[in-house]
Amino acid sequence: SQTIHQWPATLVQPVGSPLSLECTVEGTSNPNLYWYRQAAGRGLQLLFYSVGIGQISSEVPQNLSASRPQDRQFILSSKKLLLSDSGFYLCALGAYEQYFGPGTRLTVT
Amino acid sequence: GQQLNQSPQSMFIQEGEDVSMNCTSSSIFNTWLWYKQDPGEGPVLLIALYKAGELTSNGRLTAQFGITRKDSFLNISASIPSDVGIYFCAGLPSGYALNFGKGTSLLVTP
Repeated sequence: SQTIHQWPATLVQPVGSPLSLECTVEGTSNPNLYWYRQAAGRGLQLLFYSVGIGQISSEVPQNLSASRPQDRQFILSSKKLLLSDSGFYLCALGAYEQYFGPGTRLTVT
Repeated sequence: GQQLNQSPQSMFIQEGEDVSMNCTSSSIFNTWLWYKQDPGEGPVLLIALYKAGELTSNGRLTAQFGITRKDSFLNISASIPSDVGIYFCAGLPSGYALNFGKGTSLLVTP
């Protein structure tokens, strides 16, 4: 069965610091991978998706970037965090049916 | 992506009652999905719908893909305390970018 791992589970970072969130998946090959952000417990917003290694589509212009260095690894990064980057970040995989990981709670102070 | 209109925003019901919630869009979707999210966790897929008019059940949950392809409904029968959570609808117009509703928060009192 497919499994999604995300780390860290929680993160507190100061404004202006860099960010790296990692998502790895097991039990599948060449999956479509996604990064979503959820603010205040509601409303998932798609940030990036990837259909293969090195292929990234950005849905929302912002302070974040994504990379897919390996087939089952998806990374969300920022060079300088803003207060507005706080939220719950979710990695997902799938095509028409998307399955979510456990999430990373990011608080920017 | 387009924001879906999901209602009601919240529901407070007694254990044993049935629940209905719906989601509407101004655009046509090819796929409708319903998710449940518990606090601090990722959403869990409950039901996926692929065809206009389709009615699909998963235990006490039943969801329908609207005939116009612009709406979907989720019903929960005989609610129990563990049904508490936030329910999200999501629609897929084309490609892979899901559009989500803002969620329905369900509270069940014993």
